[in-house]
Amino acid sequence: AQKVTQTQTSISVVEKTTVTMDCVYETRDSSYFLFWYKQTASGEIVFLIRQDSYKKENATVGHYSLNFQKPKSSIGLIITATQIEDSAVYFCAMRGGGAGNKLTFGIGTRVLVRP
Amino acid sequence: DAGVTQTPRHEVAEKGQTIILKCEPVSGHNDLFWYRQTKIQGLELLSYFRSKSLMEDGGAFKDRFKAEMLNSSFSTLKIQPTEPKDSAVYLCASSLGGTNTGQLYFGEGSKLTVL
Repeated sequence: AQKVTQTQTSISVVEKTTVTMDCVYETRDSSYFLFWYKQTASGEIVFLIRQDSYKKENATVGHYSLNFQKPKSSIGLIITATQIEDSAVYFCAMRGGGAGNKLTFGIGTRVLVRP
Repeated sequence: DAGVTQTPRHEVAEKGQTIILKCEPVSGHNDLFWYRQTKIQGLELLSYFRSKSLMEDGGAFKDRFKAEMLNSSFSTLKIQPTEPKDSAVYLCASSLGGTNTGQLYFGEGSKLTVL
């Protein structure tokens, strides 16, 4: 069975600094896909970035980047130059590589970016 | 392009009632997911359809929860009979599928309150 664990309940950072969130996962699949999502205060959930397990290079999209450490089953999210609008709950998720595999989410990390 | 549309946005039910939540996925998407979100349990998968076929029925949610995909552009989630512990936000999401399964587009959710 798949499992995704986010141990940080909440993080507070000052605007324009960098925030890092942790996520560890468990899977028996040799190939899998990892994702990060953002849920804003309005409840909207949006996809941010993904990492395919077979790719060695860390994914980067805008000011989001990933720290993929496969031997540690870890996929951290890094947000650089944070803005007030980055305040949200961030979810880590994974899907196994087989056809029809479901997406499993972590419990989420709440990030507060303060002025 | 239209995103995922969920109706109703809010629903109040008495214990024991039957409620039906509706979802229209993004046009052309092959995968459809129903999740339940609570503060304690986070995002829990209720059902997962691929090309209208049920791939995952959410295990513990089988007895009173039933999701259906009547066609590729419409899905329903029936809860029968409702219990106060069912109070939560119910989220529908869709995905292109294939290598993009996991990159979900979420609806705004249906907030259910069971009295």
